[in-house]
Amino acid sequence: IVLTQSPGTLSLSPGERATLSCRANQSVSSNYLAWYQQKPGQAPRLLIYGASSRATGIPDRFSGSGSGTDFTLTISRLEPEDFAVYYCQQYGSSPPYTFGQGTKMEIK
Amino acid sequence: EVQLVESGGGFVQPGRSLRLSCAASGFTFDDYAMHWVRQAPGKGLEWVSGINWNSGIIGYADSVRGRFTISRDNAKNSLDLQMNSLRAEDTALYYCVKDSLASGWYYFDYWGQGTLVTVSS
Repeated sequence: IVLTQSPGTLSLSPGERATLSCRANQSVSSNYLAWYQQKPGQAPRLLIYGASSRATGIPDRFSGSGSGTDFTLTISRLEPEDFAVYYCQQYGSSPPYTFGQGTKMEIK
Repeated sequence: EVQLVESGGGFVQPGRSLRLSCAASGFTFDDYAMHWVRQAPGKGLEWVSGINWNSGIIGYADSVRGRFTISRDNAKNSLDLQMNSLRAEDTALYYCVKDSLASGWYYFDYWGQGTLVTVSS
């Protein structure tokens, strides 16, 4: 499965709403789609699994949606600490796992 | 608190070998599958290899199959990656990653801070 994320870069201001897209070239079984956040110099952190379930400790301004081949990560009101790179990943099927190429969210 | 601490990275010439290790703590190690994921400088994430809880199921990315070998020691709470015939394109930060299931091939819930491997002549 190939995952394509868009846009490549998203320029927004704190307080704005962010919508990130992840599209698969074939259906993702059981909506096994995760989102990760990576800040500069840090390891990735799990945000969302199962397309829409928030991981432990993740603020409710982060939400995931979608099914089949189209998935979305939404950040309702951007905080300064949310500016980072976001990756989607499909899992649950036989390896290899695949990640999207990432969306960089930068401060406008 | 879950901790994953990688070691063994370094500078190595093409064609040589390197062995990475990951020391795990803060969870019941043999209850979960484990993986290695790498990130080349300035690039995205690439899954490298994974192993289920009892080493019965192992997988590799096409880019490393036949050159890398993953293994685990549940008695020592450790995960290893033996990397042979290294190439320049293997240069990356290698993360030790915890799966959320014993059987594996599920989402990744904890990541180490990574160990850097540089392959260059």
